[in-house]
Amino acid sequence: EVVMTQSPATLSVSPGERATLSCRASESVVTNLAWYQQRPGQPPRLLIYGASTRAADVPARFSGSGFGTEFTLTISSLQSEDFAVYYCQQWNNWPTYTFGQGTKLEI
Amino acid sequence: QLQLQESGPGLVKPSETLSLTCTVSGASIRTSNYYWGWIRQPPGKGLEYIASIYYSGSTYYNSSLKSRVTISIDTSNSQFSLSLTSVTAADTAVYYCVRQSYRYGSDWGQGTLVTVSA
Repeated sequence: EVVMTQSPATLSVSPGERATLSCRASESVVTNLAWYQQRPGQPPRLLIYGASTRAADVPARFSGSGFGTEFTLTISSLQSEDFAVYYCQQWNNWPTYTFGQGTKLEI
Repeated sequence: QLQLQESGPGLVKPSETLSLTCTVSGASIRTSNYYWGWIRQPPGKGLEYIASIYYSGSTYYNSSLKSRVTISIDTSNSQFSLSLTSVTAADTAVYYCVRQSYRYGSDWGQGTLVTVSA
């Protein structure tokens, strides 16, 4: 099973600042990776798929990068609604998934 | 527009079987290139993949849950279902049904909380 490790567990930043979240896979997942945002009481919302493609209606301040085992989600200028938990997800062994443990983005 | 709606009991007793159904609307459940799956999230914790099914009936399971899980599909009613046997408190979670795309990620239902308690 591919293990996904996210860092940091919690990231404290201020509105307007840049946030960089990391996700590492225990083996190569190529670009079979997505990022999700989850606000309290809500289902996860797809932000990025294919490691770097923004999903529909996702603001341009969200960007994803990486290949193989190292991936990054960058939020260029944090807005108040961006404070949430972020998960990475891989599907190298399609259609099974594994998720990272999440990064909580807090003020 | 795709809608996924989970339904089932919100409370299950320990050692009994948890049964949930997901009703699909706004898209055909027989669509090729999509799988239909279940993911859960214990309160305050992360996401765990449970199982997937194709409209043809092909199934895939999380190896850690495989002995207790069955996923099935009813294409005539645009529904797919989850059965989890011998539940314990550790199975208390929000259960999400999802449409899975290899290229485009997943679409999620709103989720349903299932509590395992006597």
